[in-house]
Amino acid sequence: GQQVMQIPQYQHVQEGEDFTTYCNSSTTLSNIQWYKQRPGGHPVFLIQLVKSGEVKKQKRLTFQFGEAKKNSSLHITATQTTDVGTYFCAGGKLETSGSRLTFGEGTQLTVNP
Amino acid sequence: EAQVTQNPRYLITVTGKKLTVTCSQNMNHEYMSWYRQDPGLGLRQIYYSMNVEVTDKGDVPEGYKVSRKEKRNFPLILESPSPNQTSLYFCASSSRGYPGQGVHEQFFGPGTRLTVL
Repeated sequence: GQQVMQIPQYQHVQEGEDFTTYCNSSTTLSNIQWYKQRPGGHPVFLIQLVKSGEVKKQKRLTFQFGEAKKNSSLHITATQTTDVGTYFCAGGKLETSGSRLTFGEGTQLTVNP
Repeated sequence: EAQVTQNPRYLITVTGKKLTVTCSQNMNHEYMSWYRQDPGLGLRQIYYSMNVEVTDKGDVPEGYKVSRKEKRNFPLILESPSPNQTSLYFCASSSRGYPGQGVHEQFFGPGTRLTVL
């Protein structure tokens, strides 16, 4: 079945440093979504990418979708303590029975002030 | 307020005692899904539903059942819970999800922490 792998599993940074998490799929995706989960909370949607090579920005966050629609990345510039949490990618795949999302394992980000 | 609710939020039970975790959404979403979250394994999909009376297995369906008799509700049933089902469970809902269309933004419930002794 479809697999979505995410690296690194953990990342510790000093406040102000940049952070990047990478997501790779074993198959071509129809779309990719990114979620953030704060400690003790539930995943919250950040963004969706659909087009090959798409790049989207949200303030300090930059999201990219690979040309082959098999990989994606999330880059945070100048991290802040409010960025702490686990970031998940979720790859979408269209199947005959409908549509599914497969989540990566997540990258847990800690930021030292 | 648009939301997904789950009950109970916390549950400690014993092996073999049937239980149901309820999930309800008030956004008229077609697509609903159950996930379990375990350390280092991310979110794994248990079952999903494209619409009323339409359900399908996710990646880890063994030991679980679901039903979708109404659009707003999608209960998760553990007929005979076992300790390996101890986990954090999330319900999520989304618009779209029909064949030919990707799953849209998912709204997650607050989670249910289940412990099976």
